[in-house]
Amino acid sequence: ETGVTQSPTHLIKTRGQQVTLRCSSQSGHNTVSWYQQALGQGPQFIFQYYREEENGRGNFPPRFSGLQFPNYSSELNVNALELDDSALYLCASSFPRAGGMRGTQYFGPGTRLLVL
Amino acid sequence: GENVEQHPSTLSVQEGDSAVIKCTYSDSASNYFPWYKQELGKRPQLIIDIRSNVGEKKDQRIAVTLNKTAKHFSLHITETQPEDSAVYFCAAQGTGNQFYFGTGTSLTVIP
Repeated sequence: ETGVTQSPTHLIKTRGQQVTLRCSSQSGHNTVSWYQQALGQGPQFIFQYYREEENGRGNFPPRFSGLQFPNYSSELNVNALELDDSALYLCASSFPRAGGMRGTQYFGPGTRLLVL
Repeated sequence: GENVEQHPSTLSVQEGDSAVIKCTYSDSASNYFPWYKQELGKRPQLIIDIRSNVGEKKDQRIAVTLNKTAKHFSLHITETQPEDSAVYFCAAQGTGNQFYFGTGTSLTVIP
C-alpha cells in the first residue's frame, strides 16, 4: 500500500503568477482534500474532490481551483498569487466508509509555497 | 459553520507525566473527531480518532474522550516520552465533507 505523495516539495513564485500543485492519493482512496496551513496555524480546508467532482469547498476565493483525475490523483491551481498565499499546502486522501461514515484522512508531506 | 477551539496552545510536561489537550466544537452535527501529531517540517499523522457513537477510545498510552452534550473532546497522553514532543491538532467533521482543525498545541516533554 502506497502513501499520499505530493509534488513539488518546495516552490518559489512571485506575486501575480500561477501555480499548480499535485497530489497522488493513497492506494484505494477515491477522495482527495486540499488544505492550506499557514505558519503556526492548523490546516484550513480549501476543497475536496470525490470521483472527479468537487464535493465541498471552504472559504477560499475562486482563484483556488482544482481537478481530480480518473486515477484519483489531484491538482490544486492557484491563480494571481498573493503574498498571503505563502503556506504549506497539504492534500489528504480518504475512502468513504459504508453507511455515510467518514473515512479517515491521511496526509501527504505537503508543498511549501513561498510567494515573493 | 463549525468552529473548533483548542487549549492550551503550548504545554510543557516532565517525562513520565501525563498531558491533556482539550478541544471544543460548535456544530452538534459533527460526528467524527480525529487527532493529528505534526512534527516540525513533517506531515500531520493521525494518532487516534473517535466517532460520536463512542465516549472513549484508548490506544496504548493515548486516549480520547468525547462529551457530545458539552461538545468537547480531549486527548490524554500518559507516561509521556521526549518523542511525544510535537504539535497536536484536533479536528471535527460534520455532515459536510469539511474538516475543521483547531489551532494546535505545541507539546514539549522535558527529559
